[in-house]
Amino acid sequence: GESVGLHLPTLSVQEGDNSIINCAYSNSASDYFIWYKQESGKGPQFIIDIRSNMDKRQGQRVTVLLNKTVKHLSLQIAATQPGDSAVYFCAENIFQYGKLTFGQGTILTVHP
Amino acid sequence: EAGVAQSPRYKIIEKRQSVAFWCNPISGHATLYWYQQILGQGPKLLIQFQNNGVVDDSQLPKDRFSAERLKGVDSTLKIQPAKLEDSAVYLCASSLTRLGAGELFFGEGSRLTVL
Repeated sequence: GESVGLHLPTLSVQEGDNSIINCAYSNSASDYFIWYKQESGKGPQFIIDIRSNMDKRQGQRVTVLLNKTVKHLSLQIAATQPGDSAVYFCAENIFQYGKLTFGQGTILTVHP
Repeated sequence: EAGVAQSPRYKIIEKRQSVAFWCNPISGHATLYWYQQILGQGPKLLIQFQNNGVVDDSQLPKDRFSAERLKGVDSTLKIQPAKLEDSAVYLCASSLTRLGAGELFFGEGSRLTVL
């Protein structure tokens, strides 16, 4: 889907809490998904990816869940830290085409 | 390992003027992308190169935007003439291969303000 401009979803959590960021993707043919973190004034940074033949993938403090039935993706961050404060984007791709389409971002704010 | 380098970081111009952005990808990365990120939105792909050939430029406004990647390494993105709605951050990214977009590495971007 297309972004909706300045009104990004926001999520505020306390340090140490777990965070869950959600994303709805648009193309049922997409078979590869990536989560990016973007800090102010910087380019997006890769966090974790998942192929459509998987439902769940874990990294360090992060887990991505994929529900293809409802075209939904989520990013779980364990023990959230102030350094996790950023805008988080999901991106979808059809693997053979190598073209990422970014979704609407979510602003995560972590309070000490 | 050096990351994706972009310049200039900031540029302010008046409408109808021209501007050029430069990108140096990570060494050995065959695929290079230019994205446009308008404030509050996710990046939107403008053009994708595989070595020095264009793979996808379907979302590039070709009446005013042009890009090239001579010798399959550095790339430049030009806007001429600029419009107010071109105000955005222009992100360059590179990846080792085209398949799956691999892991895209982004530069810090070039912020353009058109007055």
